[in-house]
Amino acid sequence: DAKTTQPNSMESNEEEPVHLPCNHSTISGTDYIHWYRQLPSQGPEYVIHGLTSNVNNRMASLAIAEDRKSSTLILHRATLRDAAVYYCILRDEVDNDMRFGAGTRLTVKP
Amino acid sequence: NAGVTQTPKFQVLKTGQSMTLQCAQDMNHEYMSWYRQDPGMGLRLIHYSVGAGITDQGEVPNGYNVSRSTTEDFPLRLLSAAPSQTSVYFCASSYQGLSNYEQYFGPGTRLTVT
Repeated sequence: DAKTTQPNSMESNEEEPVHLPCNHSTISGTDYIHWYRQLPSQGPEYVIHGLTSNVNNRMASLAIAEDRKSSTLILHRATLRDAAVYYCILRDEVDNDMRFGAGTRLTVKP
Repeated sequence: NAGVTQTPKFQVLKTGQSMTLQCAQDMNHEYMSWYRQDPGMGLRLIHYSVGAGITDQGEVPNGYNVSRSTTEDFPLRLLSAAPSQTSVYFCASSYQGLSNYEQYFGPGTRLTVT
């Protein structure tokens, strides 16, 4: 399975943008890049996913490098409710196992 | 829609006891799965199902059984609980088990085995 590398932790100020990086240098051509987050004492929550092009939804934006070896999750205006562990996960075309790493713990300061 | 529901929320078992963790979804999803999350770690897949009557093993299946008799329900059975099974268990579902679909997770069951 292709692996991802994320910083252990990041801090942000409330109402500022946050850029969460993810490296996946061994990504294959059919791997989708998924992001989930887990708020304290809750189950993971889907954030966004993409294959090659940048993606936007109501929660965040996903910027994918041209060579697809890295990606960045962008929260446009962090709120205190965005404090969570963010997981970057690669899923291949027929993948029944989402491999969660340790993720990035995001702290948002008021 | 209630989404993915799990019962119970908390459970304490003694070593050797058996129990069933319940998971149900009302989104008519074909794919369902069970994960466990140990303190400070990511989730690991225990078992999954791509449809009623079909189940398969994930990364850490030992000590657990599953069945899928209906689309809605996917119970996880602990055959003989051990302290190493102390963990938080999450059930998830998606339209299909393919990489282009998001998974929806339940709130979790926190299990302690003494």
